[in-house]
Amino acid sequence: DAGVTQSPTHLIKTRGQQVTLRCSPISGHKSVSWYQQVLGQGPQFIFQYYEKEERGRGNFPDRFSARQFPNYSSELNVNALLLGDSALYLCASSLRTGRETQYFGPGTRLLVL
Amino acid sequence: AQKVTQAQTEISVVEKEDVTLDCVYETRDTTYYLFWYKQPPSGELVFLIRRNSFDEQNEISGRYSWNFQKSTSSFNFTITASQVVDSAVYFCALTGTGGFKTIFGAGTRLFVKA
Repeated sequence: DAGVTQSPTHLIKTRGQQVTLRCSPISGHKSVSWYQQVLGQGPQFIFQYYEKEERGRGNFPDRFSARQFPNYSSELNVNALLLGDSALYLCASSLRTGRETQYFGPGTRLLVL
Repeated sequence: AQKVTQAQTEISVVEKEDVTLDCVYETRDTTYYLFWYKQPPSGELVFLIRRNSFDEQNEISGRYSWNFQKSTSSFNFTITASQVVDSAVYFCALTGTGGFKTIFGAGTRLFVKA
């Protein structure tokens, strides 16, 4: 079975631009979570979606938004990019919620210039 | 508030040595879930173990073992007879009762030298 997939793998943007990151969960998984990992730090929780509804949100500004589609894939949008948004963005899927094991994708590496 | 502390930033050992990675957590939830993940240089987080708060039984899987102690809020990870391929960053994580937010520690970078 295919694991969690994310696209694109790398992205370069300039300050003020907007970016959309995509994630496809493992088949049968209904929950997707997004994390931001700045170099040298642990992943920071951004959102969790389950059955197409937002179930959890971390301490991120409103510039960050996400959604989950009927096929359980998900998009993370970041508006008005700042230099500090440069990071590895990780997507994880689980059967239902974060109580189950989350399986991570390879991540999207975003560089904001 | 929930918190995960991995006090060891970096550990360096010689191959075949045993090494223990510490994890201390804070939560007010009575039901919670603890995880360990490995992040090799490629960057992808690899799941190692999941433990719920009701199960304090220690676990051994090959060269890996985990010691969960609720009394000290610790969930430590030991690698026996370390190998160069064990070199990676290891993260401890906590999910609370609701299951809608997972907190990661800052990670411990393990170097295993041949």
